[in-house]
Amino acid sequence: DAEITQSPRHKITETGRQVTLACHQTWNHNNMFWYRQDLGHGLRLIHYSYGVQDTNKGEVSDGYSVSRSNTEDLPLTLESAASSQTSVYFCASSTGLAQRGDTQYFGPGTRLTVL
Amino acid sequence: ILNVEQSPQSLHVQEGDSTNFTCSFPSSNFYALHWYRWETAKSPEALFVMTLNGDEKKKGRISATLNTKEGYSYLYIKGSQPEDSATYLCAFSQGAQKLVFGQGTRLTINP
Repeated sequence: DAEITQSPRHKITETGRQVTLACHQTWNHNNMFWYRQDLGHGLRLIHYSYGVQDTNKGEVSDGYSVSRSNTEDLPLTLESAASSQTSVYFCASSTGLAQRGDTQYFGPGTRLTVL
Repeated sequence: ILNVEQSPQSLHVQEGDSTNFTCSFPSSNFYALHWYRWETAKSPEALFVMTLNGDEKKKGRISATLNTKEGYSYLYIKGSQPEDSATYLCAFSQGAQKLVFGQGTRLTINP
């Protein structure tokens, strides 16, 4: 079955380290998104991609980067982890084919703690 | 930054009772309104996507309505069951296939 996976599921790192969170989808979806979920804020968009070699900044992109070298993967990199980046991170994908109302499908999440 | 508001933030309902909650969004440049169900320790799952003013969607005991002119959507749950306990998220789109999520309504069904 097609799916969207994230790894690792849990990560503890130290301030200043570079961290990469993986997202892999097997639906052949064009669009991929990264969100962070914090108490009181709901889901906030970090970066997104509409296809290979396309990346765009979301609402809370400072300190994060992504690259899209193939359809299946959109890794999220924290260049120099900060305690404020402790959060749960969700990856999502959508077909990119709907004119309106393109449903996003979410991965299981990665809980990141920055000490 | 678009503002999507959900109310109430949390709700406790007795098993068997019906309930509803609200999502408010900008009424201009509307493309779509999504509802997601999010159980603890799981990932959000799509319930409905609505694109036209007056849309009504139904899945079992859960239904949703949409008013794009005044910028609100209601989610209704009829005859609440313990398995309905979850956070219900709405998300608004003004195009470009990006979604802006509300903070969610956390629903707890008391047996």
